[in-house]
Amino acid sequence: KAGVTQTPRYLIKTRGQQVTLSCSPISGHRSVSWYQQTPGQGLQFLFEYFSETQRNKGNFPGRFSGRQFSNSRSEMNVSTLELGDSALYLCASWEQGVNTEAFFGQGTRLTVV
Amino acid sequence: GQNIDQPTEMTATEGAIVQINCTYQTSGFNGLFWYQQHAGEAPTFLSYNVLDVLEEKGRFSSFLSRSKGYSYLLLKELQMKDSASYLCAVRNNAGNMLTFGGGTRLMVKP
Repeated sequence: KAGVTQTPRYLIKTRGQQVTLSCSPISGHRSVSWYQQTPGQGLQFLFEYFSETQRNKGNFPGRFSGRQFSNSRSEMNVSTLELGDSALYLCASWEQGVNTEAFFGQGTRLTVV
Repeated sequence: GQNIDQPTEMTATEGAIVQINCTYQTSGFNGLFWYQQHAGEAPTFLSYNVLDVLEEKGRFSSFLSRSKGYSYLLLKELQMKDSASYLCAVRNNAGNMLTFGGGTRLMVKP
């Protein structure tokens, strides 16, 4: 079974631009969640999608948005990029059920200059 | 609010045992996870506790006390490759939202 695939792996953007990151979960997994990881704040939850619906949302400004497609692939978008958005963005894929764990992708390293 | 605390750094010697503690105060509890993350890599799953039992998996064990809001990860027979960050995370509700602690960076020395 293929793991969680995130694209691109690295990205450099300019302040004010917008960016879209992609995540393909493990086959059969319908829940996808997104996290931002920075040295200062650690891993912070952005949002979770399940069956194309946003099920949970973290405390991030409206510039951060996401969506999920019928094949469970998910995208997240950040508009009007700020320097502080530079981070590793991790996607996690969950199998359905109670006692399951999150499988993380390798992440997208976003640098805003 | 959500608050998860774990030590920032720990150092241990190869072959020894180390215990990494995690305390949490969260609104709702639906399981506690431990993840290992090597520098520049994705977090990988180590253990999951939802009941107050000791979960053992090879050289790694995890314990949970829900009444005390406390968990620990025990690593035995430390190896150099165990040098990594160890992340404690709580699942808060019926969905799959994890709240992470800041992580404990473990350095294993020869």
